[in-house]
Amino acid sequence: EAAVTQSPRNKVAVTGGKVTLSCNQTNNHNNMYWYRQDTGHGLRLIHYSYGAGSTEKGDIPDGYKASRPSQENFSLILELATPSQTSVYFCASGDVLGGQNTLYFGAGTRLSVL
Amino acid sequence: GEQVEQRPPHLSVREGDSAIIICTYTDSATAYFSWYKQEAGAGLQLLMSVLSNVDRKEEQGLTVLLNKKDKRLSLNLTAAHPGDSAVYFCAVSEDYGNEKITFGAGTKLTIKP
Repeated sequence: EAAVTQSPRNKVAVTGGKVTLSCNQTNNHNNMYWYRQDTGHGLRLIHYSYGAGSTEKGDIPDGYKASRPSQENFSLILELATPSQTSVYFCASGDVLGGQNTLYFGAGTRLSVL
Repeated sequence: GEQVEQRPPHLSVREGDSAIIICTYTDSATAYFSWYKQEAGAGLQLLMSVLSNVDRKEEQGLTVLLNKKDKRLSLNLTAAHPGDSAVYFCAVSEDYGNEKITFGAGTKLTIKP
């Protein structure tokens, strides 16, 4: 069974503070993704990665950095958190296998920036 | 870049009725099309995927239709039951080597008894 684990599940941060969201996958997938989910916007892509050492900007990368130190781990970093970054963040892993481009999602991290 | 519009944002149907959700996309290079289901408090789970050479796919009470000419993807739930209540998302991406996946804004489906 594919497994994507996010930590922490809930986080309260102060404005201007640094926040790191972590994601671990045991699927041996090459691709990993960070999305945020906000009412009315669905899921918006922040950063993604094709493998260890690679990071790509998604549609809304401003204010976020990403790090992919290994096949299994993909982090999302908010260097200076702002209240507008309050959201639910989802990590996913995926690969194009058998002609299907399927994502496996973690359970999400609820971040509140006060 | 790719733009995906999904409608309706909210949909309420009676148990046993059908429900249809539609997505339109803009990029003609789009090659992979998927529908995901998100239950309350959980991450998304894949329902069904189709490639661009597939017009219609049916599985377990779900039908996905793809109209490449109109750049339209639809999900039809036949004989809806309470367990179908969830938020549904379409997702599209280009061909292998560019796996940036773009999601629609979601449809909250409520099944009434």
